[in-house]
Amino acid sequence: EVQLVESGGGLVKPGGSLRLSCAASGFTFSLYGMNWVRQAPGKGLEWVSYISPTSSYIYYADSVKGRFTISRDNAKNSLYLQMNSLRAEDTAVYYCARDSDPGMVVVIPPGYWGLGTLVTVSS
Amino acid sequence: QSALTQPPSASGSPGQSVSISCTGTSIGTYNYVSWYQHHPGKAPKLMISEVTKRPSGVPDRFSGSKSGNTASLTVSGLQAEDEADYYCSSYTGNKDLVFGGGTKLTVL
Repeated sequence: EVQLVESGGGLVKPGGSLRLSCAASGFTFSLYGMNWVRQAPGKGLEWVSYISPTSSYIYYADSVKGRFTISRDNAKNSLYLQMNSLRAEDTAVYYCARDSDPGMVVVIPPGYWGLGTLVTVSS
Repeated sequence: QSALTQPPSASGSPGQSVSISCTGTSIGTYNYVSWYQHHPGKAPKLMISEVTKRPSGVPDRFSGSKSGNTASLTVSGLQAEDEADYYCSSYTGNKDLVFGGGTKLTVL
């Protein structure tokens, strides 16, 4: 069974940093592209970032470009999101999401999602 | 990239059918259109991929279609557990991903 478990969320002051993690199990992690998607309180889903299976292709939403860094460790079956220069508008539940099919290197709608971790940016 | 456009709400009585639309230029260009069901506090669940494909375990009451720049999710034989938020999403060809604003489906 595919499992994605996010962690690392919490309360941080504006301008601060946070590192999110996503632990993957139940599939061969190194074969799948991964995404971070967020949902602000009362709002819809917003794609944040994508990383291809071997980290060769990395993409970001304009709203986080230059501030967030996605990475992965295939040996540890883990996905990460380093978030710097955080703003109030970054407050959201952050979801880790896996591609439906292996070997994709373009950003297509994901197939599996975790439960998310809440990030609150407030003074 | 502009978000996809969905109606904010939809409703139907148990046993009825309801359709939710999703409009955007990327939908007219590509066939990577997916639909998600999201109950608050739970993980979003893939209901339809590639416009019409239903993943294993998704009831056949859920179906997807596309015409021009508009994709649709149809839920037939509405059940109480279908009450949730539904989101569409599409490949854009521009190294990003777009989602619709979400539709709250109410089972009356």
